[in-house]
Amino acid sequence: DTAVSQTPKYLVTQMGNDKSIKCEQNLGHDTMYWYKQDSKKFLKIMFSYNNKELIINETVPNRFSPKSPDKAHLNLHINSLELGDSAVYFCASSRTVGTEAFFGQGTRLTVV
Amino acid sequence: KQEVTQIPAALSVPEGENLVLNCSFTDSAIYNLQWFRQDPGKGLTSLLLIQSSQREQTSGRLNASLDKSSGRSTLYIAASQPGDSATYLCAVRTSQGGSEKLVFGKGTKLTVNP
Repeated sequence: DTAVSQTPKYLVTQMGNDKSIKCEQNLGHDTMYWYKQDSKKFLKIMFSYNNKELIINETVPNRFSPKSPDKAHLNLHINSLELGDSAVYFCASSRTVGTEAFFGQGTRLTVV
Repeated sequence: KQEVTQIPAALSVPEGENLVLNCSFTDSAIYNLQWFRQDPGKGLTSLLLIQSSQREQTSGRLNASLDKSSGRSTLYIAASQPGDSATYLCAVRTSQGGSEKLVFGKGTKLTVNP
């Protein structure tokens, strides 16, 4: 059983398209996150949700819109994709504030 | 602003050696520190979590230490094996606006040669 699962694993799309990445956790955690790993392998937080409410938006362009239909899901929708959006996007969850974080396998997004 | 630095950026050792990976952070006001392993093309696997009140944590051949006042952590790997080859990431958990986030270092790429 995968604790934090993301779909799709790979996503190749053209500039200007709109795409979504889905994330689900079956751990019963209250807090979920999206992180971005750039071409230099540097991981940086994008969003944090606690009990379906947005807590952190780390100066991410408003083309990125997270949506949390329930505590177990945090989806990432990206409008008008740009070349610079190419990266690996990781979803993560933790039981509550300050506890161990568990990461998904990542979604490698390539914008051409 | 919290910054996390990992030294060295890459390390290559022969199988069987004991080794130490270093992590430093600029702001000592952290909840905890977490070490991860990332294999190529894969996600992050949590290795050890040290709370800010703790000095060290052990799991199998891994031992992580934390000196919060000096802003340092080390990950000690005993009797390294080729299967330990991966990128090791250090991350500190800091507070922000009622929530918290992980701030990552850029990682140490470890290669253990048979």
